[in-house]
Amino acid sequence: DTEVTQTPKHLVMGMTNKKSLKCEQHMGHRAMYWYKQKAKKPPELMFVYSYEKLSINESVPSRFSPECPNSSLLNLHLHALQPEDSALYLCASSQGRVGGPFTDTQYFGPGTRLTVL
Amino acid sequence: AQSVTQLGSHVSVSEGALVLLRCNYSSSVPPYLFWYVQYPNQGLQLLLKYTSAATLVKGINGFEAEFKKSETSFHLTKPSAHMSDAAEYFCALQRYQGGKLIFGQGTELSVKP
Repeated sequence: DTEVTQTPKHLVMGMTNKKSLKCEQHMGHRAMYWYKQKAKKPPELMFVYSYEKLSINESVPSRFSPECPNSSLLNLHLHALQPEDSALYLCASSQGRVGGPFTDTQYFGPGTRLTVL
Repeated sequence: AQSVTQLGSHVSVSEGALVLLRCNYSSSVPPYLFWYVQYPNQGLQLLLKYTSAATLVKGINGFEAEFKKSETSFHLTKPSAHMSDAAEYFCALQRYQGGKLIFGQGTELSVKP
């Protein structure tokens, strides 16, 4: 089973709202990722968690706040977003290893389509 | 610096025709290479990966890719296109010793009946 699930599938929010995106995997993976994808573009890496610790932050604005409560769950908390933040947000996971999370295949979830009004 | 170039942002083929999607890479160390497919309004699905074993890699849905070091290429092929193959295809590079996925710009495949 190589399934990564994401909820909600769609989200519409105003610029003053606070919302959260959720990602879950039960493959025993220890590395989890958030990507942002604009239309007709490749995914852009935002954050990487390795063994529940934030290991990479690709200079993402603080209005995006990631959280990894346990090895199976990954959240992305959203606050005071801008219309330009509207995009498909993808979660991915990989086996991971203590020395770094990038040496193996990443499996992606279906994404959350976010619209900021 | 590592990079991936996908030649052709849009490729159109007839149903039953050969599919060829081109990917060239630049890397100073042996790379891991991937092809992902993205259907409309969905996430990325792994088609196949090259990890320095066999140079001809077979993937799902009848796709395969050949790693050619001399040409720094990893082109994706399928002998006979099906309507269901219409999607966006991304080639990606991952450094052998670890490193984030570096994606190409993507190629949109259209299949005509």
